[in-house]
Amino acid sequence: GAVVSQHPSWVICKSGTSVKIECRSLDFQATTMFWYRQFPKQSLMLMATSNEGSKATYEQGVEKDKFLINHASLTLSTLTVTSAHPEDSSFYICSASPSEGRRAYEQYFGPGTRLTVT
Amino acid sequence: EDKVVQSPLSLVVHEGDTVTLNCSYEVTNFRSLLWYKQEKKAPTFLFMLTSSGIEKKSGRLSSILDKKELFSILNITATQTGDSAIYLCAVASTGNQFYFGTGTSLTVIP
Repeated sequence: GAVVSQHPSWVICKSGTSVKIECRSLDFQATTMFWYRQFPKQSLMLMATSNEGSKATYEQGVEKDKFLINHASLTLSTLTVTSAHPEDSSFYICSASPSEGRRAYEQYFGPGTRLTVT
Repeated sequence: EDKVVQSPLSLVVHEGDTVTLNCSYEVTNFRSLLWYKQEKKAPTFLFMLTSSGIEKKSGRLSSILDKKELFSILNITATQTGDSAIYLCAVASTGNQFYFGTGTSLTVIP
């Protein structure tokens, strides 16, 4: 149980286009989902906290107009990278915290999405 | 199916105790194993292990990887209340996939 999926797992896009990444909790409901960016050999950088039915909370330095987050249901959050540039190329990971029935502090991570912008 | 399993799920100890956290994995095309400490928000990086038998150490924390038995341990000696956190283990594959365990919640009581 407690599986989180991400789609796509790997995407290449041209500079200037937008890319949408989906994060789904497959067997539990998640009021809160997190979006991270992974830098090589570094810790995960939290980009934003996504709460179902409300606006996402962005971390300092993360452009909310560039990284659009929508958490429309208790099992789905999406991250859209708008007008992507090569410097946006990275590994994006989402995680989900269960709404109830499990320990609230647990996070279940998705497998990540590798974005390459050419 | 690729997976990472951490144990125990939670642990409560007194200050000064030594704890050992476990991480076992089944991941094809293993590249590295990483340990993170997560307190409030983003997990912070602790160690990256790629070779068996070589202990990595940072202060009171140390970790070692066994690629034959497919596991790693994270040791914390002389625990302090500031060590209370969730410790995450992740395995990176050569296919650039990350597989995270669900974490071990450590609580250190004064």
